[in-house]
Amino acid sequence: GIQVEQSPPDLILQEGANSTLRCNFSDSVNNLQWFHQNPWGQLINLFYIPSGTKQNGRLSATTVATERYSLLYISSSQTTDSGVYFCAANSGNTPLVFGKGTRLSVIA
Amino acid sequence: DAGVTQSPTHLIKTRGQQVTLRCSPISGHKSVSWYQQVLGQGPQFIFQYYEKEERGRGNFPDRFSARQFPNYSSELNVNALLLGDSALYLCASSTGTGYDYEQYFGPGTRLTVT
Repeated sequence: GIQVEQSPPDLILQEGANSTLRCNFSDSVNNLQWFHQNPWGQLINLFYIPSGTKQNGRLSATTVATERYSLLYISSSQTTDSGVYFCAANSGNTPLVFGKGTRLSVIA
Repeated sequence: DAGVTQSPTHLIKTRGQQVTLRCSPISGHKSVSWYQQVLGQGPQFIFQYYEKEERGRGNFPDRFSARQFPNYSSELNVNALLLGDSALYLCASSTGTGYDYEQYFGPGTRLTVT
């Protein structure tokens, strides 16, 4: 099945800094989503982005399907951005496979 | 609009017991999927149901079972609980069958087995 790898595993930022999170996947994808998991465990949908570029406020994402990677950009980070960011993808008729996540800590 | 809801929020069970977790999808969503997330890992797929039929099953033992009701809500049952079943159980809903559709997750049920 598809494999999903995220980097870096951990990231510490000063408030106001920008960051880029990466997701590599091993096969062509039908669905690719980015989530933010808050400290209470809730997975918040950030982007549904099997291809192309999307922006939502300070967050944006780009998926280059032909090169099998997706990037999540966070600009002007805030302490509320802290948490774990997951990339999940599926290929063919297989369920979503999640990466191991990037743990982001934003320090005031 | 209400999101995906799950109950209970937290649960403590003893090894060998049985547990039932509940999920209500977003209004208009007909597909429900269940995931298990152990500490430090990403969620792992358990089941998908669409129109009351099982459409997919992950690599979990037969102690795990689920069903979907006519109103599209769902229950996940786990029998003969093991310590290793301690995890956050997440429910997700989507509009269509298959896994291509955007998945929306509930807040989860945190199960502790002692």
